[in-house]
Amino acid sequence: EVQLVESGGGLVHPGGYLRLSCAASGFTFSSYNMGWVRQAPGKGLEWVSYISSSGSTITYADSVRGRFTISRDNAKNSLYLQVTSLRVEDTAVYYCAREAVTFDYWGQGTLVTVSS
Amino acid sequence: EIVLTQSPATLSLSPGERVTLSCRASQSVSSYLAWYQQKPGQAPRLLIYDASNRATGIPARFSGSGSGTDFTLTISSLEPEDFVVYYCQQRSNWPYTFGQGTKLEIK
Repeated sequence: EVQLVESGGGLVHPGGYLRLSCAASGFTFSSYNMGWVRQAPGKGLEWVSYISSSGSTITYADSVRGRFTISRDNAKNSLYLQVTSLRVEDTAVYYCAREAVTFDYWGQGTLVTVSS
Repeated sequence: EIVLTQSPATLSLSPGERVTLSCRASQSVSSYLAWYQQKPGQAPRLLIYDASNRATGIPARFSGSGSGTDFTLTISSLEPEDFVVYYCQQRSNWPYTFGQGTKLEIK
């Protein structure tokens, strides 16, 4: 069974940082592209970042480029999102998702709250 | 950036009815369009990929069609659990984008 489990969210002040993690199991993690998608409270879905299976290709939404860094450790079956210089508008549930053709499996999400 | 516009924002229907949701792209996305269902407090669930292919385990009452800029998701006979929010998403170009969602309400 495919499972994606996010962790690392929490309450942080504006300008702060967090490291989000996504533990994958039930599939060959190193064979799949992965991504992060976020959802602000009561709002729609926003794509955040993509990383290819080998980690050689990475891209970001303009809203986070230069502040967020996606990475993966295929040996640990884990995906990461380093989020820095956080803003109030970054408050959201952050989902990791497996990308096979499209986002076919999603984690349950981890909540990041940016507030003073 | 490709903008996806879903219409309508909210639909009020009854169980058993047939419904068609619309997603229009600001430029062609070929067939690289997916539909997701999201229940309250849950992660999105993939329903349809590449415009018309049902994802694994998705009931046959869900179907998708379209190409280029105009797409539809049809639910042939609404079940009570279908009254939630639906999103379209394109993967033709980065940044990937989502529509703003259509919420189905029970009339």
